Amino acid sequence: EIVLTQSPGTLSLSPGERATLSCRASQSISSGYLCWYQQRPGQAPRLLTYGASTRAAGVPDRFSGSGSGTDFTLTISRLEPEDFAVYYCQQYGNSPRVWTFGQGTRVEVK
Amino acid sequence: EVVLVESGGGLVQPGGSLRLSCQASGFTFDSYAMSWVRQAPGKGLEWVSSISGSGDNTYDTDSVKGRFTISRDNSKNTLDLQMNSLRAEDTALYYCAKQSLRRTEFDFWGQGTLVIVSS
Repeated sequence: EIVLTQSPGTLSLSPGERATLSCRASQSISSGYLCWYQQRPGQAPRLLTYGASTRAAGVPDRFSGSGSGTDFTLTISRLEPEDFAVYYCQQYGNSPRVWTFGQGTRVEVK
Repeated sequence: EVVLVESGGGLVQPGGSLRLSCQASGFTFDSYAMSWVRQAPGKGLEWVSSISGSGDNTYDTDSVKGRFTISRDNSKNTLDLQMNSLRAEDTALYYCAKQSLRRTEFDFWGQGTLVIVSS
């Protein structure tokens, strides 16, 4: 079973700063099977990127995903007030068929 | 516009049963796989169960196998989760989620229904 480990647990930054979130897999995964979600307080998760680097519909271009193998990154180029939230990576495994989430990274206002 | 509305949550005693439902609209329901994803209070996301568009194939996380059953009624655009032998650790907000055509990610989510398992 593949485990996703996100770091850091909490990221304290100011609006306008750059955020770099990491997601490490316990074994190599296809970049096509890695995605990122944003969850604001009291809200359902929202898909940000899929296939490691493709932005979902309506997602601002300040969000970008990258990576391959076991190391993946979500970058927010300049934090807006609405970006302070929890971010989860997720991978899909096809044998057996499972969907696995990382434990999340909280981006908070410094 | 895709809309997913969950219902059926509530307080149930350990060992009890509950049936969750999700009413879907705004897309061709039988063309998409659907899932339930849960979130325990203050915790992260955990995938629970998935079902193919036709309903022929289902998948469950190990901790719910033999206790939870996912199903769908494509004539009514509804997704269900029958939960039996509930445990305290099943306490969570349960989200209904639409899978993308790729089936590898969840592109739309409902607002969730809360299940509390407690005596």
